Amino acid sequence: DGGITQSPKYLFRKEGQNVTLSCEQNLNHDAMYWYRQDPGQGLRLIYYSQIVNDFQKGDIAEGYSVSREKKESFPLTVTSAQKNPTAFYLCASRDASYGYTSERYGYTFGSGTRLTVV
Amino acid sequence: GENVEQHPSTLSVQEGDSAVIKCTYSDSASNYFPWYKQELGKGPQLIIDIRSNVGEKKDQRIAVTLNKTAKHFSLHITETQPEDSAVYFCAASFLSGSARQLTFGSGTQLTVLP
Repeated sequence: DGGITQSPKYLFRKEGQNVTLSCEQNLNHDAMYWYRQDPGQGLRLIYYSQIVNDFQKGDIAEGYSVSREKKESFPLTVTSAQKNPTAFYLCASRDASYGYTSERYGYTFGSGTRLTVV
Repeated sequence: GENVEQHPSTLSVQEGDSAVIKCTYSDSASNYFPWYKQELGKGPQLIIDIRSNVGEKKDQRIAVTLNKTAKHFSLHITETQPEDSAVYFCAASFLSGSARQLTFGSGTQLTVLP
């Protein structure tokens, strides 16, 4: 089955440490996204990538970094510069072709990673 | 960029009643409006979407309406069931450079009371 996989499901980070969240998709989607979700709030865009070896900052990129070396993978690193990293992180992907069907416009989300600073 | 406002933030209904969630958007060029359902501890799942050339779309107990003039769209759930309890997000597409993106509303926590 095609899908998008995030790992780990739960992650604990000590103060001052960098951690990397994994996101892998086998949907052959071009675009991938990272969102942060805080309790009772919506989805805020951290970074996105439309094609391999290219990515753009979203609304809250400070303290985060990404890479897109392969079409299938879009890992997110939460650096020590991110002062309040405890949150639920969601990865999504989308077929970026300019089609006019819902399958091509809709995002497919992973099941998320809950990051906690200890 | 696009701004999407969603109301209410919480909604409680009795089982069997209807639930309505409303969203407004700012970019008149937006042409795609999906709705997502997020269960506790999981990622959002697309439940229904509508395009700007359509005023209403229905899928069993779920319907979405769009008023392009007023720039608002709504999710309607009829005959609600306990398994409908979840957080619902609306979204609107906008063009960022040469690529389309989605901006999400802040979410509605729907609770269906048995």
